[in-house]
Amino acid sequence: DGGITQSPKYLFRKEGQNVTLSCEQNLNHDAMYWYRQDPGQGLRLIYYSQIVNDFQKGDIAEGYSVSREKKESFPLTVTSAQKNPTAFYLCASSIPRHGWYGYTFGSGTRLTVV
Amino acid sequence: DQQVKQNSPSLSVQEGRISILNCDYTNSMFDYFLWYKKYPAEGPTFLISISSIKDKNEDGRFTVFLNKSAKHLSLHIVPSQPGDSAVYFCAASDMIYNQGGKLIFGQGTELSVKP
Repeated sequence: DGGITQSPKYLFRKEGQNVTLSCEQNLNHDAMYWYRQDPGQGLRLIYYSQIVNDFQKGDIAEGYSVSREKKESFPLTVTSAQKNPTAFYLCASSIPRHGWYGYTFGSGTRLTVV
Repeated sequence: DQQVKQNSPSLSVQEGRISILNCDYTNSMFDYFLWYKKYPAEGPTFLISISSIKDKNEDGRFTVFLNKSAKHLSLHIVPSQPGDSAVYFCAASDMIYNQGGKLIFGQGTELSVKP
């Protein structure tokens, strides 16, 4: 079955450490996105990529980095520069420029700084 | 600058009654609107959408209404069921001008349907 997989489901990070969240899709979607969910703030866009080897900053990119070396993969690194990294992170993919199909979301990664 | 707003953080409804979730937007370039449903610790799932050329779209118990002049859309769930209890996100995109199809989400409304 086609889908989008995020791993791990739960992640604990010590202050000052970088961590990488994995996102893999087998839907053959061109575009991929990273969102962060905080209580009362909805889903806020961190980074997005419309095509391999290209990505753009979203609304809250500071303290995060991404890469898009393969169509299927869009990992997110939470760096030590991110001041408040504890949140629920969601990855999504879509087909841009072919009508509207909406996003397919992964099941999320809960990151906690300890 | 919050382009998509859901001003009600929560809503409680009795089973069998109608649930009405509201969403306001500020960007007149938005041409496609979607509703997503989310359970705790899971990713959102697509529920229903509407193009700006329509004012209503219906799918079973779910109906979305769009009022472009008021920049307002609403999701009606009739009849509401306990399994509908979740967080509902409104989202919008300007597909014509934003070829990437980037979605802008509201803050979400937590719906609780009581038996």
